[in-house]
Amino acid sequence: DGGITQSPKYLFRKEGQNVTLSCEQNLNHDAMYWYRQDPGQGLRLIYYSQIVNDFQKGDIAEGYSVSREKKESFPLTVTSAQKNPTAFYLCASRRGRGLSGTGELFFGEGSRLTVL
Amino acid sequence: SQELEQSPQSLIVQEGKNLTINCTSSKTLYGLYWYKQKYGEGLIFLMMLQKGGEEKSHEKITAKLDEKKQQSSLHITASQPSHAGIYLCGADVISGGYQKVTFGTGTKLQVIP
Repeated sequence: DGGITQSPKYLFRKEGQNVTLSCEQNLNHDAMYWYRQDPGQGLRLIYYSQIVNDFQKGDIAEGYSVSREKKESFPLTVTSAQKNPTAFYLCASRRGRGLSGTGELFFGEGSRLTVL
Repeated sequence: SQELEQSPQSLIVQEGKNLTINCTSSKTLYGLYWYKQKYGEGLIFLMMLQKGGEEKSHEKITAKLDEKKQQSSLHITASQPSHAGIYLCGADVISGGYQKVTFGTGTKLQVIP
């Protein structure tokens, strides 16, 4: 079955450590996205990528980094520069690229990061 | 930048009652998406609206996009406990030649049996 896989589901880290969250999709989607969700709030866009080897900053990119070396993979690194990294992180993908083609986002199950 | 305002922020209804959630944009909506989320889980796609005046239904949930394409509503008829969760609206935003999707703050729905 096609879908998006995020790992790990739960992650605990000490303050000051970098953490990488994995996101893999086998839907053959061009565009991929990372969102952050805090309790009682909606989703805020961190980074997004329309094609391989290209990505754009979202609304809250500071303290995060990404790479898009393969179409199916879009890992997110939460660096020590992120002041408040404890949150629920969601990865998504969709068909289409650029201004052409729209469609709904397909989401993974999320990764919950807790910094101690 | 595109901002999506959802109202109400939370809602508690008795099972069997109807309810409406609104999503308002400061700019014209080119693609409007409704999702449902159970706490701590991923988002489940409900419906997508693109044309002014468009209306779609799935089971007991109906979503509409107004003619001006700046407001959408989600209506649930005869609510059930299975409808409980967080409802989020999202919209396509074009910025600098790139296309992204931004979301509203969400509406938390509780349905009391």
